[in-house]
Amino acid sequence: EDQVTQSPEALRLQEGESSSLNCSYTVSGLRGLFWYRQDPGKGPEFLFTLYSAGEEKEKERLKATLTKKESFLHITAPKPEDSATYLCAVRDSGTYKYIFGTGTRLKVLA
Amino acid sequence: DVKVTQSSRYLVKRTGEKVFLECVQDMDHENMFWYRQDPGLGLRLIYFSYDVKMKEKGDIPEGYSVSREKKERFSLILESASTNQTSMYLCASLGTANEQFFGPGTRLTVL
Repeated sequence: EDQVTQSPEALRLQEGESSSLNCSYTVSGLRGLFWYRQDPGKGPEFLFTLYSAGEEKEKERLKATLTKKESFLHITAPKPEDSATYLCAVRDSGTYKYIFGTGTRLKVLA
Repeated sequence: DVKVTQSSRYLVKRTGEKVFLECVQDMDHENMFWYRQDPGLGLRLIYFSYDVKMKEKGDIPEGYSVSREKKERFSLILESASTNQTSMYLCASLGTANEQFFGPGTRLTVL
């Protein structure tokens, strides 16, 4: 069964304290791993798509990496405005279904 | 930029009422989705549509139906609202790189 597990559930960082969020997945055929940011009371906002092991994508202080079984979202020198819930999702090949993790709630303190 | 809009941000309904949630996208996307999001459960797929008048059930379709009469509009219908349908409802459309673009969400409360 396709499954996505994110850890930790919640993370508190001081401003400037770098860290990583984890997304582990099981899927029969990966047709993309997706990272989203969600602010309270709003819809998820697309960040990155990764397709194959070894692939990396960067955007400002965020960098996403992918292995055969997991993905990491690295946050370098975070700022309070990076506080949000970060969601990971996978799409199985041959289907339009996306499986979402329950997210990591990140709080960055000034 | 892709824009996905939902008809209401907040909605309060009574048990047994018929509820319509509407979603409109402006990028001519073929595929659209309805999810509900509950604490600790993540996003769960209710229905998706891959073309006008075409739909497929997701993981939790019970108690819901959908309508897609025009490409840009995808409606979610709660035939007889129940308290366990209190949730955040999110609509999304699918971009050309397989990324989903989400609307702002509708927080529905059923009393």
